[in-house]
Amino acid sequence: AQKVTQAQTEISVVEKEDVTLDCVYETRDTTYYLFWYKQPPSGELVFLIRRNSFDEQNEISGRYSWNFQKSTSSFNFTITASQVVDSAVYFCALSEPFNYGGATNKLIFGTGTLLAVQP
Amino acid sequence: EPEVTQTPSHQVTQMGQEVILRCVPISNHLYFYWYRQILGQKVEFLVSFYNNEISEKSEIFDDQFSVERPDGSNFTLKIRSTKLEDSAMYFCASSTTGTEQYFGPGTRLTVT
Repeated sequence: AQKVTQAQTEISVVEKEDVTLDCVYETRDTTYYLFWYKQPPSGELVFLIRRNSFDEQNEISGRYSWNFQKSTSSFNFTITASQVVDSAVYFCALSEPFNYGGATNKLIFGTGTLLAVQP
Repeated sequence: EPEVTQTPSHQVTQMGQEVILRCVPISNHLYFYWYRQILGQKVEFLVSFYNNEISEKSEIFDDQFSVERPDGSNFTLKIRSTKLEDSAMYFCASSTTGTEQYFGPGTRLTVT
């Protein structure tokens, strides 16, 4: 069964600190996708990144970076030099592989990490 | 940039009433989803819809729930007889291929 674990329920940092959000996943599939979403206080889900299981290259986008390690089933997210605007709940999610017999691709979300960045 | 829209943004209803939550997916998308998020909890999959039929549904999606794509643009979620525990944020999502889902802003449903 697929499962996503975000063990950190809340993290509080001071502005300009670096912070890493952990995500550990379980799946028996060899092909899958991993995602990070941001949910600010306004409630919408903002897509941040998608990674497929065959691409273990780390990715950097501005202050954001992601570390995907299949050997430890982890997909961690680091914010460098955090800002108050980064305060939000961050969700890691796993998607089942595309099923040609009938589309599923449901997203399985972790429980989220609430990041509070203090000025 | 095209986006998924949902109406209403907030719906208050009394227990036992029927509600219909509406979504307009991105126009060339073929896969549609509903998720819900009870306040303070994780986002949970409800149902996926493709080729005018349900392709998968979760345990949450019981006989009280139904989905429809009535006119080729809207995608609706109906809850036949609402319960207090249906109070949640409901998110619609759509996708071209199923791998990347674009979420709407959500409808907050409050059942009193």
